[in-house]
Amino acid sequence: SQTIHQWPATLVQPVGSPLSLECTVEGTSNPNLYWYRQAAGRGLQLLFYSVGIGQISSEVPQNLSASRPQDRQFILSSKKLLLSDSGFYLCAWKRDAYSGNTIYFGEGSWLTVV
Amino acid sequence: KQEVTQIPAALSVPEGENLVLNCSFTDSAIYNLQWFRQDPGKGLTSLLLIQSSQREQTSGRLNASLDKSSGRSTLYIAASQPGDSATYLCAALYSSASKIIFGSGTRLSIRP
Repeated sequence: SQTIHQWPATLVQPVGSPLSLECTVEGTSNPNLYWYRQAAGRGLQLLFYSVGIGQISSEVPQNLSASRPQDRQFILSSKKLLLSDSGFYLCAWKRDAYSGNTIYFGEGSWLTVV
Repeated sequence: KQEVTQIPAALSVPEGENLVLNCSFTDSAIYNLQWFRQDPGKGLTSLLLIQSSQREQTSGRLNASLDKSSGRSTLYIAASQPGDSATYLCAALYSSASKIIFGSGTRLSIRP
């Protein structure tokens, strides 16, 4: 069976510090990978998605970046965090582009920028 | 621009009532429409997925419909229970490179 791991679960970082959130998927190959952010009481905002190694599509221009160094690894980074980067970050995967496949989510990472 | 909208943002109903949650989307070129449930502070759990060629899907007390021409989907919950209290989100898979866009969700509260 497939599983998705996301860490750290909780993070408190000062403004201006770097960020690295990591996500890995087990039990499948060449998944579509996604990073979403959810601000308090809001919906999910798509940040990045990737359909293959080294392929990253960015949805929002900001101080975040994503990388996919391995097939089942997706990393969200920032060089300098802003207060507005606080939120609940969710990694997700989908088997491929087939429309009948659902998307599965990790348990999320709570980021508080102070 | 591809957008997904959910109205209302919050809904409170007494236990036992049937209810409908609404989702609208721009750009009818979607591949599928999914409904998710999110409990506070948790990730998302998939409830139903409707492919673009389908009209509806059912799972237990849940029924989801899709009308691509009008850009609408509805989630029908029959005989609501307090355990149904959660935030419900819909998401559209757009045909361009697997992009999945979410609505802002409807926070549902079922009163005992």
